[in-house]
Amino acid sequence: TQLLEQSPQFLSIQEGENLTVYCNSSSVFSSLQWYRQEPGEGPVLLVTVVTGGEVKKLKRLTFQFGDARKDSSLHITAAQPGDTGLYLCAGFKAAGNKLTFGGGTRVLVKP
Amino acid sequence: SQTIHQWPATLVQPVGSPLSLECTVEGTSNPNLYWYRQAAGRGLQLLFYSVGIGQISSEVPQNLSASRPQDRQFILSSKKLLLSDSGFYLCAWSVLAGTEAFFGQGTRLTVV
Repeated sequence: TQLLEQSPQFLSIQEGENLTVYCNSSSVFSSLQWYRQEPGEGPVLLVTVVTGGEVKKLKRLTFQFGDARKDSSLHITAAQPGDTGLYLCAGFKAAGNKLTFGGGTRVLVKP
Repeated sequence: SQTIHQWPATLVQPVGSPLSLECTVEGTSNPNLYWYRQAAGRGLQLLFYSVGIGQISSEVPQNLSASRPQDRQFILSSKKLLLSDSGFYLCAWSVLAGTEAFFGQGTRLTVV
């Protein structure tokens, strides 16, 4: 089992619809990050959340860190085809140097 | 500005052959360095990480090893490749734990 569980693994929606991706763990993290990856490239950071209950917005993307710092969610409003990609959550546990990734969620937004 | 170089971009190697993938970082000192492997369309599996020269932490027992001979150089090696070593290998660096990780372009390894 992975330390960070992402759900769903795959999401296919129509342009204009909303979607939510979840990242859950039984462990506490000092920070959680969300990355987006295009095929054949390395992941690129979208956001870092560090405070329990924190909410960050990046245009149509809303990121939330759970109060207990064990989970996070990514919500996309009015998805566009350009949002298509692999979304990855990743986290550092307290006092650790390991950056651990979830299994990823593949998002497909159809025009 | 900081940059990360990873090569080669693609590699086809026969079973039983050795492997050496190199990653170098420019524009920063004493970075945390990481090697990951990724199956198609899935998440990243942490293989090794290093917080300093000669300091290597291994996450998954396997046919691979890593070395950090210089501050900004991280090498992934194998003495004899297995078919199961095929995958997309990514090198990354960060300034500190908890900060953004910057990734190289990756190496697509196919063992035949």
